[in-house]
Amino acid sequence: GAVVSQHPSWVICKSGTSVKIECRSLDFQATTMFWYRQFPKQSLMLMATSNEGSKATYEQGVEKDKFLINHASLTLSTLTVTSAHPEDSSFYICSARTGGHTDTQYFGPGTRLTVL
Amino acid sequence: DAKTTQPPSMDCAEGRAANLPCNHSTISGNEYVYWYRQIHSQGPQYIIHGLKNNETNEMASLIITEDRKSSTLILPHATLRDTAVYYCIVPISGSARQLTFGSGTQLTVLP
Repeated sequence: GAVVSQHPSWVICKSGTSVKIECRSLDFQATTMFWYRQFPKQSLMLMATSNEGSKATYEQGVEKDKFLINHASLTLSTLTVTSAHPEDSSFYICSARTGGHTDTQYFGPGTRLTVL
Repeated sequence: DAKTTQPPSMDCAEGRAANLPCNHSTISGNEYVYWYRQIHSQGPQYIIHGLKNNETNEMASLIITEDRKSSTLILPHATLRDTAVYYCIVPISGSARQLTFGSGTQLTVLP
């Protein structure tokens, strides 16, 4: 199957700082990528849909000014958590959509963010 | 997404087939059924998807009933590494295939 990578795999930061997470589709081009968040013992929650070359679409309740998404190329989307606070600590996961006949989303391994 | 219903948990003996059911009675004619699994602290892994015909790949088989209101994911020879939460998802067509994750089924493969 297609491969999606994320970097970093984990990050610890101080409250008030910003953190950037990268999501790359390694062997296919993805016009659409998605960002999810998962709190302990909960299921994945979609945060936003990222389309290459256009503004991201955020789910209700997700602050677009706090979670900045950039999808500047067909293989890279970034999520920046601005002015992070302890309540932003979570597992952030991206996915990339292949499109075409076998339209499927493949997920990255996730990024564990801990805000102190 | 079409609502899906899965049992919260199942056990399976190692080496035996694991059959995971999913009900999706409100599915429409052009909506696919996707299966993913998530092993603890990892991103979800794509398993298989189908529309109306049964599908098989190197990981699993997907059996979809003729009326498409339910499906079964079959892991033919479960191993301890198959212990995970399994999600059955029916994304809404035309919505960039957004996936809505429910609670899934926690499959525990026992030695």
